[in-house]
Amino acid sequence: GNSVTQMEGPVTLSEEAFLTINCTYTATGYPSLFWYVQYPGEGLQLLLKATKADDKGSNKGFEATYRKETTSFHLEKGSVQVSDSAVYFCALGSSNTGKLIFGQGTTLQVKP
Amino acid sequence: DVKVTQSSRYLVKRTGEKVFLECVQDMDHENMFWYRQDPGLGLRLIYFSYDVKMKEKGDIPEGYSVSREKKERFSLILESASTNQTSMYLCASIGASRRNYNEQFFGPGTRLTVL
Repeated sequence: GNSVTQMEGPVTLSEEAFLTINCTYTATGYPSLFWYVQYPGEGLQLLLKATKADDKGSNKGFEATYRKETTSFHLEKGSVQVSDSAVYFCALGSSNTGKLIFGQGTTLQVKP
Repeated sequence: DVKVTQSSRYLVKRTGEKVFLECVQDMDHENMFWYRQDPGLGLRLIYFSYDVKMKEKGDIPEGYSVSREKKERFSLILESASTNQTSMYLCASIGASRRNYNEQFFGPGTRLTVL
């Protein structure tokens, strides 16, 4: 069945460091891929998405490229800020049900 | 903006109690979902609903039931709460026209503790 695997956290970085959070997936067909972010005490918010191979999603300085050949959707940011401290979830969407399959989440802590 | 609200942010209940978690969305969305979030396990789907009075089991429905009497409201029911149901519960919704894009909108979550 479909599944998503994220790198384990927590990830601790200094401000302005480069961020990569790895995400790989297993799926049949051509799923959509998402990154959601959960700030402390809040629900999940959509950060970015990609709906087909080679698409690049981007938002708030974060980017991720849908790589079908490596079944990956790694999240990157060139220079993180303290305000980026949150839990990040990679998710896979099946084409016609609306359901999402989530990875286990990766906690990011950015120190000043 | 889509707004998904949940009735409580924090809830403490005793083992064996019947617990109702309420979720309301204000964007006329057809599809609604209930997840639980546990450290290291991500979000796991409990139940979902495509329309009023319709419900389908997700990946972990045991010990839970749901009710969808009105389009905007989706309730999660713990018939007899147990300590292993201590968790964060998240509700989400999506319109049918966007179902193919899977962009779910989430509520703030209810942190339930069962003593």
